[in-house]
Amino acid sequence: ELKVEQNPLFLSMQEGKNYTIYCNYSTTSDRLYWYRQDPGKSLESLFVLLSNGAVKQEGRLMASLDTKARLSTLHITAAVHDLSATYFCAVRSYNNNDMRFGAGTRLTVKP
Amino acid sequence: DSGVTQTPKHLITATGQRVTLRCSPRSGDLSVYWYQQSLDQGLQFLIQYYNGEERAKGNILERFSAQQFPDLHSELNLSSLELGDSALYFCASSGSDRLGADTQYFGPGTRLTVL
Repeated sequence: ELKVEQNPLFLSMQEGKNYTIYCNYSTTSDRLYWYRQDPGKSLESLFVLLSNGAVKQEGRLMASLDTKARLSTLHITAAVHDLSATYFCAVRSYNNNDMRFGAGTRLTVKP
Repeated sequence: DSGVTQTPKHLITATGQRVTLRCSPRSGDLSVYWYQQSLDQGLQFLIQYYNGEERAKGNILERFSAQQFPDLHSELNLSSLELGDSALYFCASSGSDRLGADTQYFGPGTRLTVL
């Protein structure tokens, strides 16, 4: 069964600092996603990573994928308050089209 | 505004009842996805339709069913409702038929409360 583990679950950062969120998954996958959710709001797609070694960047966020290690990272550079949100990773199973989400990382960026 | 609309925004009903949630995708998008978010279960992918056909199935209960109509809007039917079905239900749309091959755009969600 495909399992997705995200850590940390809670992250409190100071503005200007860097940090990384980790997403581990249990079985072979060919597709990994990152989403953002603001409190009380819907989801926003951030990145879709399609192959080993894929790296995507948007502003202060950079996502990477290592399919051999079954690991994706979401790196936050020089955090700002606007990045405060919950971030989810999700993985599509290679064997079928099921998709599993991590529990989410609640990020708080403090001034 | 993502361009994806969902109705109703809120729905309160009783156990054992049946409800229908509606989703209209962005103009031109052929894929519609349904997700459930609850405190107990977290985020779960339910099902994907592409141009009227089921393309991917996730953790969807047998009491739940969905369909996509020729005008591409989709409906999620939930029957024999239980307290545990209380959740936020999101739909998303994209242009691709391959799950997640391109960016998904999410609707605002329908909050279902089962009493």
